[in-house]
Amino acid sequence: AQKVTQTQTSISVVEKTTVTMDCVYETRDSSYFLFWYKQTASGEIVFLIRQDSYKKENATVGHYSLNFQKPKSSIGLIITATQIEDSAVYFCAMREVYQGGRALIFGTGTTVSVSP
Amino acid sequence: ETAVFQTPNYHVTQVGNEVSFNCKQTLGHDTMYWYKQDSKKLLKIMFSYNNKQLIVNETVPRRFSPQSSDKAHLNLRIKSVEPEDSAVYLCASSPDWGGVQNTLYFGAGTRLSVL
Repeated sequence: AQKVTQTQTSISVVEKTTVTMDCVYETRDSSYFLFWYKQTASGEIVFLIRQDSYKKENATVGHYSLNFQKPKSSIGLIITATQIEDSAVYFCAMREVYQGGRALIFGTGTTVSVSP
Repeated sequence: ETAVFQTPNYHVTQVGNEVSFNCKQTLGHDTMYWYKQDSKKLLKIMFSYNNKQLIVNETVPRRFSPQSSDKAHLNLRIKSVEPEDSAVYLCASSPDWGGVQNTLYFGAGTRLSVL
């Protein structure tokens, strides 16, 4: 069965620095998609970035980038030049293409606090 | 810009009561979902609907029953709430069931407190 694990409960950084958070996943599927979402203090959940399992290059969107290490079943999120408004809970998620259902399965989240 | 609308924002009730939550999406998507987020922020899929048809029920207790009148609306009824039902219920939509690469769009959630 598919599983997504985020071991870091919380991370604190100073603004304008880089934060990295980890995510490992389990799947028997040969093809899958990995996502990162952000949940703000208001509760709003927004999509940030996606990695396709068949692509070797790491995805990048704005100041978000991914560190995809397929042999390790790992998909880390890197936020560069952090801002106060990056303070949020970050969720890693996965959808399998062939095995199991099509719903998005989430990790437990990493709380990021960015201070001045 | 919000395109998945949930009502109510909050609901406080007592054990044994029945509650209903509404969700509407204006994105023209075919697929909608209910997720439950507990006090530890864990997000768990409850139901998946495609074109107003139930696709997946993720072993949710039978007191939970989703209802869909059309593909833009997905409601959730809890017949007799229990204390462990206290959580935030999040509705989400995606363009279609087959598009696994598609992202989900979430509503703001309905926070349920069971006294």
